[in-house]
Amino acid sequence: AQKVTQAQTEISVVEKEDVTLDCVYETRDTTYYLFWYKQPPSGELVFLIRRNSFDEQNEISGRYSWNFQKSTSSFNFTITASQVVDSAVYFCALSELNYGGSQGNLIFGKGTKLSVKP
Amino acid sequence: DAMVIQNPRYQVTQFGKPVTLSCSQTLNHNVMYWYQQKSSQAPKLLFHYYDKDFNNEADTPDNFQSRRPNTSFCFLDIRSPGLGDAAMYLCATSRGVGAGLLWTEAFFGQGTRLTVV
Repeated sequence: AQKVTQAQTEISVVEKEDVTLDCVYETRDTTYYLFWYKQPPSGELVFLIRRNSFDEQNEISGRYSWNFQKSTSSFNFTITASQVVDSAVYFCALSELNYGGSQGNLIFGKGTKLSVKP
Repeated sequence: DAMVIQNPRYQVTQFGKPVTLSCSQTLNHNVMYWYQQKSSQAPKLLFHYYDKDFNNEADTPDNFQSRRPNTSFCFLDIRSPGLGDAAMYLCATSRGVGAGLLWTEAFFGQGTRLTVV
């Protein structure tokens, strides 16, 4: 079965703290994509990163970094030196390409609400 | 500039009264998706169009229909809204052909928040 689990429902940090959002996935497929999206209060889902199942290289983009480990089926997201503007709900998502999926056919986790306080 | 545009941002409808939500895109993407997101829950795919081909998710209620008259526009019709249909409805697009490795990621609109009274 395919599933995305974000065990942390809510996290609250003080500005400038580092924070890691956890994501664990289950998939039937050998070819799949993993995503992180940010949903600010305004409602739109903002794409942050995509990783395919053949690329376990970690990625850093400014204050954001992602750690993909197939051995533990995890795709964790770290924000370094958090800022108030990082406050949002963050969703981890999976698409399985060999089971009728496309990169918009997403299975989302339940999301982690991050609150960054000044 | 917004690339996936949803109108209206907020919609109030009466119980049982048909309602249509609209989505347009300027990306010329061939695939358009509709997601339902209930309060504090994850978005859930309702259906998508791959070009003109309609693909319904197995658990999408019959009450939900969709139309795609051309590449740029897609509509979500709710034939008889119930209180349980109150949610944020998100439209998304992507471009892809054949094997999934060539696809773009999904681009989302700002959503339409539907209230049923």
